[in-house]
Amino acid sequence: DAGVIQSPRHEVTEMGQEVTLRCKPISGHNSLFWYRQTMMRGLELLIYFNNNVPIDDSGMPEDRFSAKMPNASFSTLKIQPSEPRDSAVYFCASSSSGGATWEQYFGPGTRLTVT
Amino acid sequence: AQSVAQPEDQVNVAEGNPLTVKCTYSVSGNPYLFWYVQYPNRGLQFLLKYITGDNLVKGSYGFEAEFNKSQTSFHLKKPSALVSDSALYFCAVRVSGGYNKLIFGAGTRLAVHP
Repeated sequence: DAGVIQSPRHEVTEMGQEVTLRCKPISGHNSLFWYRQTMMRGLELLIYFNNNVPIDDSGMPEDRFSAKMPNASFSTLKIQPSEPRDSAVYFCASSSSGGATWEQYFGPGTRLTVT
Repeated sequence: AQSVAQPEDQVNVAEGNPLTVKCTYSVSGNPYLFWYVQYPNRGLQFLLKYITGDNLVKGSYGFEAEFNKSQTSFHLKKPSALVSDSALYFCAVRVSGGYNKLIFGAGTRLAVHP
C-alpha cells in the first residue's frame, strides 16, 4: 500500500496567491481528515469527510479556506487568497470507519510558506 | 466533553533507561485510545491503540502502553530507550459517533541522550 499521498511536498507562494493542496487517501478508506500544524497552535483539525461528504468544517479558520472531495480517491484544500499566517504544515489523513481499525493514517504533509 | 491531556511538554531520558510519556483522558463511554509518533519533517505515524481487552497494549518499535481506567490514563512506555526514539509523541482519543475523528493531545517531545 502506498499510504496517504500528498502533493506538493513543499509550496512557497506570495501573499494573495491561490494555493491548492492535494491528497490521495489509502484505497478503501472512507474517512478523510485535513489538519494544520504550527509551532504556536500545534495540530489542528480543519475539516473531515466521510464517504466524500463534509461532516465537520468547524475547524476551517476563515472563508479563505475551502475543501472538496469529488471522489473517494482525491481531496483538495484550497486557500484563496493566501496570507503569511497560513504558513504551516498541512496534513491529510485517512481511516476506515466501516471496520474495526479506528486509527488514522497520515500523509507526509505539505509545508506551505507564504511570503 | 472529550479531551486528552499530555502534562509534560518534554521528557528527557538517558539511552538504555526506561521511558514513560504520560497521557490522561476524559471521555463519555468506553475510550478508544491511540499513540502516534512524529519524527522531524514527517507525518504522524500510528504506534498502538487500546480498544478493549488486555490493559497492556504492545505496539511498534518496542513501545507499549498501559490503560488504567480508574486513573483515566494511557501512558506510553518502553523498557530501554534508544537515541532514535527521540521524537514528538501524541496521545489521542476517538470521538464517539465521529467517524473516527480523533482528539489529539498537545504532544510531548521525547529527548533520549546518549
